[in-house]
Amino acid sequence: GAGVSQSPSNKVTEKGKDVELRCDPISGHTALYWYRQSLGQGLEFLIYFQGNSAPDKSGLPSDRFSAERTGGSVSTLTIQRTQQEDSAVYLCASSLGAGSGEQFFGPGTRLTVL
Amino acid sequence: EDQVTQSPEALRLQEGESSSLNCSYTVSGLRGLFWYRQDPGKGPEFLFTLYSAGEEKEKERLKATLTKKESFLHITAPKPEDSATYLCAVQPLDSGSRLTFGEGTQLTVNP
Repeated sequence: GAGVSQSPSNKVTEKGKDVELRCDPISGHTALYWYRQSLGQGLEFLIYFQGNSAPDKSGLPSDRFSAERTGGSVSTLTIQRTQQEDSAVYLCASSLGAGSGEQFFGPGTRLTVL
Repeated sequence: EDQVTQSPEALRLQEGESSSLNCSYTVSGLRGLFWYRQDPGKGPEFLFTLYSAGEEKEKERLKATLTKKESFLHITAPKPEDSATYLCAVQPLDSGSRLTFGEGTQLTVNP
């Protein structure tokens, strides 16, 4: 079956512009996660959605970052007024349910802010 | 604060040369410890979950073990296709579903 897909695979933007990153989770997976991976660093948790519950936004680094999940499926991560330090690979993952550490990752979106 | 430290940062082996990767962790309470494999340009791929000290899991040439303070990923007679970055992550009891990842060990297996 299809895995987690993300688009675009690469995004180059200018400082100050807004960007939207998209994630399509595995069908039937109720939990969806966003992580950020910077060069030479580990994955950094950003936000977590589980069903219709309020999302866990505790990892978002600033109020320029927001995410939504429509219809319990597709998710969009939005970064407003991008800064150079936002350059990273943004990874989306999904899992069958809450509390599962067996997360299935997409290929990521490489964001470069010039 | 939850913390995961992996060592070494990089490891170069000859094909067939067995070794171990280390993951040391500090958490207030552990729900689970996870190992993932990441190939260049791809997202991490799940390998193992360990829940309690003394637990072991095996898959092909890989075996993961867990103690109260660290986990080891043992690689027996590795092949070049085992070359990848291996990531360790912990899920604390009070974290909901978030994982805290280490920075990974980059493994290269030469033929």
